Amino acid sequence: GQQLNQSPQSMFIQEGEDVSMNCTSSSIFNTWLWYKQDPGEGPVLLIALYKAGELTSNGRLTAQFGITRKDSFLNISASIPSDVGIYFCAGHNNAGNMLTFGGGTRLMVKP
Amino acid sequence: DADVTQTPRNRITKTGKRIMLECSQTKGHDRMYWYRQDPGLGLRLIYYSFDVKDINKGEISDGYSVSRQAQAKFSLSLESAIPNQTALYFCATSRGGEPQHFGDGTRLSIL
Repeated sequence: GQQLNQSPQSMFIQEGEDVSMNCTSSSIFNTWLWYKQDPGEGPVLLIALYKAGELTSNGRLTAQFGITRKDSFLNISASIPSDVGIYFCAGHNNAGNMLTFGGGTRLMVKP
Repeated sequence: DADVTQTPRNRITKTGKRIMLECSQTKGHDRMYWYRQDPGLGLRLIYYSFDVKDINKGEISDGYSVSRQAQAKFSLSLESAIPNQTALYFCATSRGGEPQHFGDGTRLSIL
Protein backbone atom coordinates (compact mmCIF):
# COMPACT_ATOMS: atom_id res chain seq x y z
CA GLY A 1 0.00 0.00 0.00
CA GLN A 2 0.92 3.65 0.07
CA GLN A 3 3.61 4.77 2.44
CA LEU A 4 4.55 8.04 4.03
CA ASN A 5 8.20 8.53 4.89
CA GLN A 6 8.46 10.62 8.03
CA SER A 7 11.74 12.01 9.30
CA PRO A 8 13.48 12.20 11.59
CA GLN A 9 12.40 9.14 13.55
CA SER A 10 13.44 10.80 16.81
CA MET A 11 14.81 14.09 18.07
CA PHE A 12 16.35 15.07 21.40
CA ILE A 13 16.52 18.82 21.76
CA GLN A 14 17.05 21.52 24.35
CA GLU A 15 14.08 23.50 25.64
CA GLY A 16 13.72 26.70 23.62
CA GLU A 17 15.02 25.24 20.36
CA ASP A 18 12.98 25.12 17.18
CA VAL A 19 12.00 21.75 15.69
CA SER A 20 11.28 20.71 12.13
CA MET A 21 9.96 17.38 10.84
CA ASN A 22 8.62 16.33 7.47
CA CYS A 23 6.79 13.70 5.50
CA THR A 24 7.20 12.68 1.90
CA SER A 25 5.23 10.37 -0.34
CA SER A 26 5.50 8.89 -3.82
CA SER A 27 1.77 9.55 -4.25
CA ILE A 28 -0.32 12.70 -4.31
CA PHE A 29 -2.50 13.50 -1.30
CA ASN A 30 -5.48 15.87 -1.15
CA THR A 31 -5.26 16.48 2.58
CA TRP A 32 -2.36 16.46 5.02
CA LEU A 33 -2.91 16.12 8.76
CA TRP A 34 -0.54 16.38 11.69
CA TYR A 35 -1.32 14.57 14.95
CA LYS A 36 0.42 14.40 18.33
CA GLN A 37 0.30 11.36 20.59
CA ASP A 38 1.07 11.59 24.31
CA PRO A 39 1.95 8.45 26.28
CA GLY A 40 -1.11 6.35 27.06
CA GLU A 41 -3.38 8.43 24.84
CA GLY A 42 -4.65 8.45 21.30
CA PRO A 43 -3.43 10.83 18.58
CA VAL A 44 -4.83 14.35 18.78
CA LEU A 45 -5.23 16.51 15.68
CA LEU A 46 -2.89 19.52 15.59
CA ILE A 47 -3.23 20.94 12.09
CA ALA A 48 -5.18 20.06 8.93
CA LEU A 49 -4.05 21.22 5.47
CA TYR A 50 -6.39 21.13 2.46
CA LYS A 51 -4.69 23.00 -0.39
CA ALA A 52 -1.30 22.72 -2.08
CA GLY A 53 0.96 25.50 -0.82
CA GLU A 54 -1.20 26.15 2.24
CA LEU A 55 0.69 27.36 5.31
CA THR A 56 -1.22 27.09 8.60
CA SER A 57 -0.28 27.96 12.17
CA ASN A 58 -1.63 26.77 15.51
CA GLY A 59 0.16 28.65 18.28
CA ARG A 60 3.85 27.71 18.11
CA LEU A 61 3.14 25.10 15.44
CA THR A 62 3.31 25.80 11.71
CA ALA A 63 2.67 23.29 8.95
CA GLN A 64 2.75 23.50 5.17
CA PHE A 65 1.17 21.46 2.38
CA GLY A 66 3.84 21.02 -0.29
CA ILE A 67 3.28 22.42 -3.78
CA THR A 68 3.77 19.01 -5.37
CA ARG A 69 1.12 17.57 -2.95
CA LYS A 70 3.62 14.84 -2.09
CA ASP A 71 5.10 16.34 1.07
CA SER A 72 4.41 18.34 4.21
CA PHE A 73 6.42 19.74 7.08
CA LEU A 74 5.69 20.67 10.68
CA ASN A 75 7.70 23.25 12.62
CA ILE A 76 7.55 23.84 16.36
CA SER A 77 9.09 27.08 17.60
CA ALA A 78 10.58 27.66 21.04
CA SER A 79 10.00 24.11 22.27
CA ILE A 80 8.82 23.46 25.84
CA PRO A 81 8.83 20.24 27.90
CA SER A 82 5.13 19.53 27.20
CA ASP A 83 5.94 19.26 23.48
CA VAL A 84 7.33 15.80 24.26
CA GLY A 85 5.47 13.06 22.42
CA ILE A 86 5.17 11.33 19.08
CA TYR A 87 4.15 13.40 16.07
CA PHE A 88 2.46 11.72 13.11
CA CYS A 89 1.75 12.99 9.65
CA ALA A 90 -1.19 11.49 7.78
CA GLY A 91 -2.52 11.91 4.27
CA HIS A 92 -5.86 11.50 2.50
CA ASN A 93 -6.11 10.72 -1.19
CA ASN A 94 -9.09 10.48 -3.55
CA ALA A 95 -9.71 6.83 -2.74
CA GLY A 96 -12.30 7.22 -0.01
CA ASN A 97 -11.65 8.25 3.55
CA MET A 98 -8.62 6.08 4.23
CA LEU A 99 -5.77 7.82 6.04
CA THR A 100 -2.17 6.79 5.46
CA PHE A 101 0.13 7.47 8.41
CA GLY A 102 3.83 8.16 8.63
CA GLY A 103 5.95 6.18 11.09
CA GLY A 104 6.08 9.04 13.59
CA THR A 105 8.72 11.38 15.01
CA ARG A 106 9.48 10.92 18.70
CA LEU A 107 10.34 14.28 20.24
CA MET A 108 12.19 14.57 23.52
CA VAL A 109 12.84 17.97 25.12
CA LYS A 110 15.50 18.53 27.76
CA PRO A 111 14.57 21.27 30.26
CA ASP B 1 -10.72 12.17 23.64
CA ALA B 2 -13.52 11.33 26.09
CA ASP B 3 -16.05 11.44 23.22
CA VAL B 4 -14.56 8.24 21.81
CA THR B 5 -14.39 5.51 24.47
CA GLN B 6 -12.55 2.24 24.08
CA THR B 7 -12.95 -0.77 26.36
CA PRO B 8 -11.03 -2.46 27.77
CA ARG B 9 -7.98 -0.17 28.06
CA ASN B 10 -5.68 -3.12 28.68
CA ARG B 11 -6.07 -6.84 28.07
CA ILE B 12 -3.76 -9.81 28.43
CA THR B 13 -4.93 -13.09 26.99
CA LYS B 14 -3.70 -16.40 25.62
CA THR B 15 -3.17 -17.65 22.09
CA GLY B 16 -6.33 -19.07 20.56
CA LYS B 17 -8.77 -17.06 22.66
CA ARG B 18 -11.54 -14.95 21.12
CA ILE B 19 -11.22 -11.27 21.98
CA MET B 20 -13.63 -8.40 21.45
CA LEU B 21 -12.64 -4.76 21.70
CA GLU B 22 -15.42 -2.20 21.98
CA CYS B 23 -15.62 1.39 20.79
CA SER B 24 -18.43 3.82 21.48
CA GLN B 25 -18.78 7.48 20.55
CA THR B 26 -20.95 10.40 21.60
CA LYS B 27 -19.87 12.67 18.74
CA GLY B 28 -22.69 11.65 16.41
CA HIS B 29 -20.18 10.84 13.66
CA ASP B 30 -21.23 8.53 10.84
CA ARG B 31 -17.83 7.01 10.13
CA MET B 32 -15.80 4.77 12.45
CA TYR B 33 -12.42 3.09 12.08
CA TRP B 34 -10.15 0.56 13.76
CA TYR B 35 -6.37 0.95 13.61
CA ARG B 36 -3.44 -1.01 14.90
CA GLN B 37 -0.25 0.68 16.11
CA ASP B 38 3.13 -1.05 16.25
CA PRO B 39 6.39 0.69 17.19
CA GLY B 40 7.90 2.56 14.23
CA LEU B 41 5.01 1.70 11.89
CA GLY B 42 2.54 4.46 12.64
CA LEU B 43 -1.11 3.45 12.53
CA ARG B 44 -2.44 0.92 10.05
CA LEU B 45 -6.11 0.63 9.14
CA ILE B 46 -7.81 -2.68 9.94
CA TYR B 47 -11.49 -2.00 9.08
CA TYR B 48 -13.74 0.99 8.60
CA SER B 49 -17.46 1.70 8.44
CA PHE B 50 -19.28 4.60 6.83
CA ASP B 51 -22.68 3.76 8.34
CA VAL B 52 -24.58 1.12 10.31
CA LYS B 53 -24.05 -2.32 8.79
CA ASP B 54 -21.48 -0.92 6.31
CA ILE B 55 -18.13 -2.76 6.63
CA ASN B 56 -14.96 -2.20 4.58
CA LYS B 57 -11.58 -3.89 4.79
CA GLY B 58 -8.53 -1.81 5.46
CA GLU B 59 -4.85 -2.48 4.90
CA ILE B 60 -4.49 -5.34 7.42
CA SER B 61 -7.89 -7.01 7.91
CA ASP B 62 -6.75 -10.66 7.97
CA GLY B 63 -7.39 -12.28 11.36
CA TYR B 64 -9.89 -9.59 12.40
CA SER B 65 -13.64 -8.99 12.05
CA VAL B 66 -15.87 -6.06 12.98
CA SER B 67 -19.51 -5.29 13.69
CA ARG B 68 -21.41 -2.00 13.36
CA GLN B 69 -24.93 -2.61 14.68
CA ALA B 70 -25.51 0.96 15.85
CA GLN B 71 -24.14 4.31 14.73
CA ALA B 72 -22.41 4.91 18.05
CA LYS B 73 -20.72 1.52 18.38
CA PHE B 74 -18.05 -0.32 16.40
CA SER B 75 -16.55 -3.52 17.78
CA LEU B 76 -13.39 -5.34 16.69
CA SER B 77 -12.98 -9.10 17.18
CA LEU B 78 -10.01 -11.40 17.04
CA GLU B 79 -11.56 -14.83 16.48
CA SER B 80 -8.45 -16.79 17.49
CA ALA B 81 -5.77 -14.50 18.86
CA ILE B 82 -2.12 -15.06 17.96
CA PRO B 83 0.99 -13.46 19.52
CA ASN B 84 1.78 -11.22 16.52
CA GLN B 85 -1.54 -9.47 17.12
CA THR B 86 -0.03 -7.99 20.28
CA ALA B 87 -0.29 -4.23 19.67
CA LEU B 88 -2.00 -0.99 20.59
CA TYR B 89 -5.45 -0.70 18.99
CA PHE B 90 -7.19 2.59 18.30
CA CYS B 91 -10.73 3.42 17.33
CA ALA B 92 -11.43 6.66 15.44
CA THR B 93 -14.50 8.51 14.20
CA SER B 94 -15.19 11.21 11.65
CA ARG B 95 -18.07 13.16 10.18
CA GLY B 96 -17.88 12.53 6.46
CA GLY B 97 -14.43 13.35 5.10
CA GLU B 98 -13.44 15.56 8.04
CA PRO B 99 -10.33 14.71 10.13
CA GLN B 100 -10.58 11.66 12.34
CA HIS B 101 -10.76 11.77 16.14
CA PHE B 102 -9.18 8.97 18.15
CA GLY B 103 -9.93 7.14 21.37
CA ASP B 104 -7.22 6.51 23.96
CA GLY B 105 -6.45 3.01 22.77
CA THR B 106 -6.53 -0.59 23.97
CA ARG B 107 -3.23 -2.25 24.80
CA LEU B 108 -3.59 -5.94 23.87
CA SER B 109 -1.03 -8.56 24.81
CA ILE B 110 -1.35 -12.14 23.55
CA LEU B 111 0.80 -14.73 25.28
